[in-house]
Amino acid sequence: QVQLVESGGGVVQPGRSLRLSCAASGFTFSSYAVHWVRQAPGKGLEWVAIISYDGGNKHYADSVKGRFTISRDNSKNTVYLQMNSLRAEDTAMYYCVRMRWLDYWGQGTLVTVSS
Amino acid sequence: DIQMTQSPSTLSASVGDRVTITCRASQSISSWLAWYQQTPGKAPKLLIYKASILQSGVPSRFSGSGSGTEFTLTISSLQPDDFATYYCLYYNGYPYTFGQGTKLEIK
Repeated sequence: QVQLVESGGGVVQPGRSLRLSCAASGFTFSSYAVHWVRQAPGKGLEWVAIISYDGGNKHYADSVKGRFTISRDNSKNTVYLQMNSLRAEDTAMYYCVRMRWLDYWGQGTLVTVSS
Repeated sequence: DIQMTQSPSTLSASVGDRVTITCRASQSISSWLAWYQQTPGKAPKLLIYKASILQSGVPSRFSGSGSGTEFTLTISSLQPDDFATYYCLYYNGYPYTFGQGTKLEIK
């Protein structure tokens, strides 16, 4: 069955960096685009970034553009989100999600930006 | 950027009721709309994509309709598991945009 498992979350100080990982299984990973979507505590969903099936195309939300970088390693069935210059407002649960219309979601990894 | 506005923000209903949630786009998005259900502490679950296509495994009491700028999610007969928060999503072009959510509560 399709599985997406996020890791790498934690508590980090403002201005520091963190890298999230999303390990995929149960489908042909190299055929699918993958997104990151986040949800601040008690708030709604916010789309963060997408990477195409081959890594050749990437798009970002304005709120993270220039600070976050999405990448993938199809040999490892893994997508990454490198988050630099973190801010308090980046505190959220981060979900890895498959496919154009976001059909399968991971369980999420929590990022807390706090001094 | 396209803005998505859901209404109502909160909806109170009883088991067996028929309920409708609306999502409006700030400009025409054809049928590039999906609906998700989220229960507390869980990841969202895809219910409907391309405005009206039911995701595999989703009960048939859920249905979606609309095109252009106005869309609806209808639950024909509420079940206890349906009390959750629902989100719409525009997914053609960037940035993708979610509606702000509709919390469906037990009356």
